[in-house]
Amino acid sequence: ELKVEQNPLFLSMQEGKNYTIYCNYSTTSDRLYWYRQDPGKSLESLFVLLSNGAVKQEGRLMASLDTKARLSTLHITAAVHDLSATYFCAGWLDTGTASKLTFGTGTRLQVTL
Amino acid sequence: NAGVTQTPKFQVLKTGQSMTLQCAQDMNHEYMSWYRQDPGMGLRLIHYSVGAGITDQGEVPNGYNVSRSTTEDFPLRLLSAAPSQTSVYFCASSYSYRRGSSYNSPLHFGNGTRLTVT
Repeated sequence: ELKVEQNPLFLSMQEGKNYTIYCNYSTTSDRLYWYRQDPGKSLESLFVLLSNGAVKQEGRLMASLDTKARLSTLHITAAVHDLSATYFCAGWLDTGTASKLTFGTGTRLQVTL
Repeated sequence: NAGVTQTPKFQVLKTGQSMTLQCAQDMNHEYMSWYRQDPGMGLRLIHYSVGAGITDQGEVPNGYNVSRSTTEDFPLRLLSAAPSQTSVYFCASSYSYRRGSSYNSPLHFGNGTRLTVT
């Protein structure tokens, strides 16, 4: 069974700084996702990572995947207040008899002035 | 395009009552799923379905029933509500789920149902 761990759980950072959120998963995953959730809202898809070495960027966020290390990272460049939210990584596993998306516990990001 | 629609948005139940959380999608997605979200625990999978007539259990299925009679609808039933079921419930759907699918869409989430059981 796939287990997904994120760290840190909480991250307070100043505007303009860079930081990375880490996502480790326990077994081979078919795909790795990153989602964003604002307080009281639904989840918004940010990235889908399919293969080893995959890198995707959108604005100040960049996600990468290392399948050998079973590690994905979400790098934040020059943070701005609008990036304050909770970020989840999730791993998809389709075994042929089961198809499930397993989430990490989330990283709450707070960007301060 | 409505996407994934959940009803109701809020619900208060008393212990032992039953209710159904509704979920509908208009994207012709094969895969549908229910998650519950509790503080500090991320999202946990309750049940999922890979097509009409096919359902399976997730990580926390006890106390919940599902059925999938059509591609569009995937209701979640609480037969006898308990305070431990107080949570925010999300329905999500995806176009593809099979390994190796060339169309790797993310799960699209509904806006959630906030359920309180007293």
